[in-house]
Amino acid sequence: QSALTQPPSASGSPGQSVTISCTGTSSDVGGYNYVSWYQQHPGKAPKLIIYEVTKRPSGVPDRFSGSKSGNTASLTVSGLQAEDEADYYCNSYTGSNNPYVFGTGTKVTVL
Amino acid sequence: QVQLVQSGAEVKKPGASVKVSCKASGYTFTGSYIHWVRQAPGQDLEWMGWISPNSGATKYAQKFQGRVTMTRDTSISTAYMELSRLGSDDTAVYYCAREAFPKAFDIWGQGTMVTVSS
Repeated sequence: QSALTQPPSASGSPGQSVTISCTGTSSDVGGYNYVSWYQQHPGKAPKLIIYEVTKRPSGVPDRFSGSKSGNTASLTVSGLQAEDEADYYCNSYTGSNNPYVFGTGTKVTVL
Repeated sequence: QVQLVQSGAEVKKPGASVKVSCKASGYTFTGSYIHWVRQAPGQDLEWMGWISPNSGATKYAQKFQGRVTMTRDTSISTAYMELSRLGSDDTAVYYCAREAFPKAFDIWGQGTMVTVSS
């Protein structure tokens, strides 16, 4: 199972929006509504920010939103804030012998 | 509060084994799967497998089949991940994570750094 494809980097000014894509196949992203997104600050454990494509856990600001079209999922961060500067990883369930696959990660920079 | 607390950093020689623990608190340990994910220095997250604390059932990524063993001790709400025949490319931070939402990892341990060096 190959890693899901994400852009290496994305950036935006405070208050702007940034969207990160996560491209897989019909065997993972396109086949299941089990895409999740994680935020990771340097030296810290990942934090769940989106699950089941669009749902936010309690405590995650509504500035974070998820969507999916075909084999590509997306994470949008609206109203960028300094603390949003981090690495972001997508993950998808695959239903195969390797049931979970992560994305290649995107470093978000707040200019 | 709900948390997973992992054991401390390890340094191992090539060919050795390492066993990392993950102690759960603040929730019913047997109610959620525990997953293990690793991250080599400067690299991406890599899913290794899961264990059902309730039944002890496991599922491992093909890459680690035959080399990884996940177990649990429900009496102390602790999950374990043992990786054998270590090589330098196993140097990584190893995380445990709870699956409380379907197919998503909502609570993570702080990570355990495993260094493989001769």
